[in-house]
Amino acid sequence: DTAVSQTPKYLVTQMGNDKSIKCEQNLGHDTMYWYKQDSKKFLKIMFSYNNKELIINETVPNRFSPKSPDKAHLNLHINSLELGDSAVYFCASSRLGGANTGELFFGEGSRLTVL
Amino acid sequence: QQPVQSPQAVILREGEDAVINCSSSKALYSVHWYRQKHGEAPVFLMILLKGGEQKGHEKISASFNEKKQQSSLYLTASQLSYSGTYFCGTQKGGAQKLVFGQGTRLTINP
Repeated sequence: DTAVSQTPKYLVTQMGNDKSIKCEQNLGHDTMYWYKQDSKKFLKIMFSYNNKELIINETVPNRFSPKSPDKAHLNLHINSLELGDSAVYFCASSRLGGANTGELFFGEGSRLTVL
Repeated sequence: QQPVQSPQAVILREGEDAVINCSSSKALYSVHWYRQKHGEAPVFLMILLKGGEQKGHEKISASFNEKKQQSSLYLTASQLSYSGTYFCGTQKGGAQKLVFGQGTRLTINP
């Protein structure tokens, strides 16, 4: 059983298109995250939700819109894709959030390539 | 504010020891360590919550000096399986987010 699963694993698309990445966790965790890892391996937090409520919203272009229909799911929609959006996007979850963030469980990542 | 890791890369022979450092310019509440193998997701190693705390995980241990706002990860008698990129993640007191360093690439050769 995969604890944190993301789909799709690979995404190749043209500039200007809109795409979504879905994430689901079956660990019963309250907090979920989106991280972006660029070509230099830098892991940067984008968003965090705690029990469907947005608690972290980093300086991310508003072309990126997260949605959490319930605490087990966190999706990421990206509008008008640009070349610089090419990266690996990791979903993660943790039992707690905020100042008591414990172990993060990461999904396998979704590699987005914008042509 | 992103913590700074050093060195950026290390190449060792199997059985040698390594130390990876993580420094922050801000007071820290906690330090996390993760390892990421090529093409895989980061995997949790340990969290250190208290100043001066040390934790161990097989032959991998870490220390956290709260006053110096630094943490070090120690890998002793390294094995081939230790190869990968190591990330420290830091959290300031009361802060919501975990911010990762730029990573240290560790290569273990036979």
